[in-house]
Amino acid sequence: GQQLNQSPQSMFIQEGEDVSMNCTSSSIFNTWLWYKQEPGEGPVLLIALYKAGELTSNGRLTAQFGITRKDSFLNISASIPSDVGIYFCAGHFGNEKLTFGTGTRLTIIP
Amino acid sequence: SAVISQKPSRDICQRGTSLTIQCQVDSQVTMMFWYRQQPGQSLTLIATANQGSEATYESGFVIDKFPISRPNLTFSTLTVSNMSPEDSSIYLCSVPGTGLYEQYFGPGTRLTVT
Repeated sequence: GQQLNQSPQSMFIQEGEDVSMNCTSSSIFNTWLWYKQEPGEGPVLLIALYKAGELTSNGRLTAQFGITRKDSFLNISASIPSDVGIYFCAGHFGNEKLTFGTGTRLTIIP
Repeated sequence: SAVISQKPSRDICQRGTSLTIQCQVDSQVTMMFWYRQQPGQSLTLIATANQGSEATYESGFVIDKFPISRPNLTFSTLTVSNMSPEDSSIYLCSVPGTGLYEQYFGPGTRLTVT
């Protein structure tokens, strides 16, 4: 089946720094979704992307649907303590199920 | 977005027993999804539950181990049967979102099997 690899696996950054993470696949997707999961909670949808090359923002978050349709990127500007959590990408193609990435764990150092 | 609740939020169970997890949505939805998230891992789809029909299970998951009920358009249950420590996971239900292929998730049920 399709697999989504996220990089980096974990990040330790200082408050105020920008964050970049990506998600890559061996197969193409028609939809890319980015979720954030905090401890003890379910994933929360941050951004949805539906078109190759699409760039979408949600506050300090910006995500892009890669031109090849095999990758997506998430950037967080000026990180704050509440950005801590695990970020998951998810992709969808055709009639197949939603496939989730391996996750990027973000830790903010005060 | 839909408001989704799950019960229980967490439980510690003995091996060999079964636990039924409830998922309640504040609006009617055609499909409900059940996921498993093993410790430190990503989300894996267990099955899709449609009202009025049998659930559709993903490869590696069987009805005898994870029976699902879907009595109406706002409610579903997942039972984890004959549990072993390997079943220790977070179990999440989700529903379709407003956008194409989007899903909204419940808070999860954290299960520990001893």
